[in-house]
Amino acid sequence: EAEVAQSPRYKITEKSQAVAFWCDPISGHATLYWYRQILGQGPELLVQFQDESVVDDSQLPKDRFSAERLKGVDSTLKIQPAELGDSAMYLCASSSPLEVRELFFGEGSRLTVL
Amino acid sequence: GDSVTQMEGPVTLSEEAFLTINCTYTATGYPSLFWYVQYPGEGLQLLLKATKADDKGSNKGFEATYRKETTSFHLEKGSVQVSDSAVYFCALVGLGGGATNKLIFGTGTLLAVQP
Repeated sequence: EAEVAQSPRYKITEKSQAVAFWCDPISGHATLYWYRQILGQGPELLVQFQDESVVDDSQLPKDRFSAERLKGVDSTLKIQPAELGDSAMYLCASSSPLEVRELFFGEGSRLTVL
Repeated sequence: GDSVTQMEGPVTLSEEAFLTINCTYTATGYPSLFWYVQYPGEGLQLLLKATKADDKGSNKGFEATYRKETTSFHLEKGSVQVSDSAVYFCALVGLGGGATNKLIFGTGTLLAVQP
């Protein structure tokens, strides 16, 4: 069964360091999402791509976060510099053109900032 | 803006008990409604969905009915198992214009089923 792949599963870093997360969506899924899930809360959308274009990054803290999907396939989310409050689970999801409202999630990347 | 409110947990039940997790929403028009489940250490999995009023979504013994008159989408299961222990998220996708299909989540409800 096709899955959304994410890496790394776990990342521990010190504040002010740079960190990057990678996501490979299900083949053929044009829409890719990055969500942040703080412990005890529901996921919140950070950025949404349609192919290689950003369609919603209104909740992305652009002073320190960046996201790219250069070839419209896999994507990278970067944080520089990391802050203590960035500790969270970063979830990637994708959806197909035929059923854009049904999102498939990866297992997530858990970030701990010390 | 669109939002989802679900009952706070944790919900602790004995095996074979009846489960209800309440979810209400605020949205313009007719959003699509979802329940996602997150097992310990894993990502979110779609449990069930409903796309229009009076639709009933069902999967793995879980059911939820889209009630527009009460703006609700309560999750139910007749007999829970220990393996159902997880966090359950209610979510919606609104009918906002443009290219976005933004999934908006509730805060999640932890279900703990004891043998």
